[in-house]
Amino acid sequence: ETGVTQTPRHLVMGMTNKKSLKCEQHLGHNAMYWYKQSAKKPLELMFVYNFKEQTENNSVPSRFSPECPNSSHLFLHLHTLQPEDSALYLCASSQVQGGRGIGGNTIYFGEGSWLTVV
Amino acid sequence: AQTVTQSQPEMSVQEAETVTLSCTYDTSESDYYLFWYKQPPSRQMILVIRQEAYKQQNATENRFSVNFQKAAKSFSLKISDSQLGDAAMYFCAYRSLTGANSKLTFGKGITLSVRP
Repeated sequence: ETGVTQTPRHLVMGMTNKKSLKCEQHLGHNAMYWYKQSAKKPLELMFVYNFKEQTENNSVPSRFSPECPNSSHLFLHLHTLQPEDSALYLCASSQVQGGRGIGGNTIYFGEGSWLTVV
Repeated sequence: AQTVTQSQPEMSVQEAETVTLSCTYDTSESDYYLFWYKQPPSRQMILVIRQEAYKQQNATENRFSVNFQKAAKSFSLKISDSQLGDAAMYFCAYRSLTGANSKLTFGKGITLSVRP
């Protein structure tokens, strides 16, 4: 248990569906992230939110729409996805910058949400 | 921009033996953090060990230790007394301390198998 919870753990959706992934952190952090991990590909950073504001969008297609209503919750809204979007989606959280002192600078991950697009 | 390189895609170790996983990185910064994460078949990303660049002393966590060579920009992970449960993918990661760049930069990972 890392303090970062992702739901659902598994999701199967059709290409015309609309679904959402949810992430919640209980660590008092103020930065949250979405990563994508495909088979045989390195981890890809998708989005970064600092204090609820998006600070990075790593050229992610618009069919992925993030939402960060507060520092504890992060959503990834999915619509009209493609089969190649099937992957493990990892949420993570941290302090934005903890200064010197390793604890404040560690990024903690959830267990991931497996997405299959059919 | 920072980059992290893990050049060995796979390694294997006999149970109870020691194995070293390599990682190099490129940065122009002097203050940063380095991490090793483990990803077992469950795909949960688990923190193994972490190192502050301004500290010369190598971090250790039980059977896990690092060899941090700042001048060479090298950050290797040594696993002693390897156990079957150590079989996983291991990622080396870099995090800047300065500016607004708060994200982790990962290497491609290395798959470690442990032979009984």
